[in-house]
Amino acid sequence: DTGVSQDPRHKITKRGQNVTFRCDPISEHNRLYWYRQTLGQGPEFLTYFQNEAQLEKSRLLSDRFSAERPKGSFSTLEIQRTEQGDSAMYLCASSWGQGEEDEQYFGPGTRLTVT
Amino acid sequence: SQQGEEDPQALSIQEGENATMNCSYKTSINNLQWYRQNSGRGLVHLILIRSNEREKHSGRLRVTLDTSKKSSSLLITASRAADTASYFCATPPFTKRDDKIIFGKGTRLHILP
Repeated sequence: DTGVSQDPRHKITKRGQNVTFRCDPISEHNRLYWYRQTLGQGPEFLTYFQNEAQLEKSRLLSDRFSAERPKGSFSTLEIQRTEQGDSAMYLCASSWGQGEEDEQYFGPGTRLTVT
Repeated sequence: SQQGEEDPQALSIQEGENATMNCSYKTSINNLQWYRQNSGRGLVHLILIRSNEREKHSGRLRVTLDTSKKSSSLLITASRAADTASYFCATPPFTKRDDKIIFGKGTRLHILP
């Protein structure tokens, strides 16, 4: 078990370009979360999957953001027409459990810089 | 919207001393979790305390929960350089319609040699 992995670790893109991030959760975990974190702030919830179903989506997630988890394993987060305000660390976490007592295991994050 | 707020925002102490950080929240909760984040890395779950628990220990960590004051504290005893990190409390959302677990802004702890 290598833990939660994310790829790439860093991404620099120009405003208006599309970017896609990948998250590989711990293999037996059924839940997968995406968060965004800016400097000096805590992680902000973006969306969450249980198996392949996207169960919740934050109001923070504009129409330019889309996430998939097609086979209930890895997940991708795509940002279309990036804006400078999208610059942040994007964190993925996974868990195995029920309800709100999940212990979430976080990946190292993908740092996005939009120029 | 922010549910949990950590206090202080930053804390510097000498190695070997105890570090205490607090978290206040706004509405009733079923549980509260503490996470640690080393610089530029993902978060690590430290401890979960349920609303019917008043205190919980894990190694050098001691967490308390006072539901009447809507507050929790995290105590790290005999601090080490490796404890330098940001610490976040995390709470369930206000309602089912809201987002999932909500993190505070964190306390940045710096252990001085």
